[in-house]
Amino acid sequence: NAGVTQTPKFRVLKTGQSMTLLCAQDMNHEYMYWYRQDPGMGLRLIHYSVGEGTTAKGEVPDGYNVSRLKKQNFLLGLESAAPSQTSVYFCASSYPIYPTSGGYTGELFFGEGSRLTVL
Amino acid sequence: AQSVTQLGSHVSVSEGALVLLRCNYSSSVPPYLFWYVQYPNQGLQLLLKYTSAATLVKGINGFEAEFKKSETSFHLTKPSAHMSDAAEYFCAVSDTGRRALTFGSGTRLQVQP
Repeated sequence: NAGVTQTPKFRVLKTGQSMTLLCAQDMNHEYMYWYRQDPGMGLRLIHYSVGEGTTAKGEVPDGYNVSRLKKQNFLLGLESAAPSQTSVYFCASSYPIYPTSGGYTGELFFGEGSRLTVL
Repeated sequence: AQSVTQLGSHVSVSEGALVLLRCNYSSSVPPYLFWYVQYPNQGLQLLLKYTSAATLVKGINGFEAEFKKSETSFHLTKPSAHMSDAAEYFCAVSDTGRRALTFGSGTRLQVQP
């Protein structure tokens, strides 16, 4: 049982190049997320998906695109990489909780991270 | 929107001493709250969660946290620090608007021998 798997784990890009990060989960979770982690800033939400075929913007979506064509996969794309996108990227998956006061997500299950450097 | 504030980006304790990591939240609805731990070069691992049941929540590795609505706090404690507790700790609150978690900026715990 692999949980959440991210590929690649490391990548170095030149400014202007494009790339795709792949996230796969085997827990049949509805929700999937991409976060970036930068020193002193915690984790910031880039994009997320609450189901197959759906995506939505998070806190810092500019410069990124995502797709969720299959329930188990969530792809993060950088069309034209910039040095400001140097970061560690984490994928996570989760499940919905529906208390009477509104929708919540349960705990997030994280991948090991992908370290991206843009020169 | 929901948010969390972690007081102290670095905390240093001696082995065997009490660990106290502070987290205050802001939420217009009853919050779900989480503590995660991150060891070097790894992903985040759930320590414990509060989902409106008991206000004192016990987690893994001897950690616990108490939800205090009057203080809007969810501080993480452990009675006796171990060298293996050295890591970065993140508090998070469930963002009902986005159905995601909003994380604090993290607290790095150092344990001195």
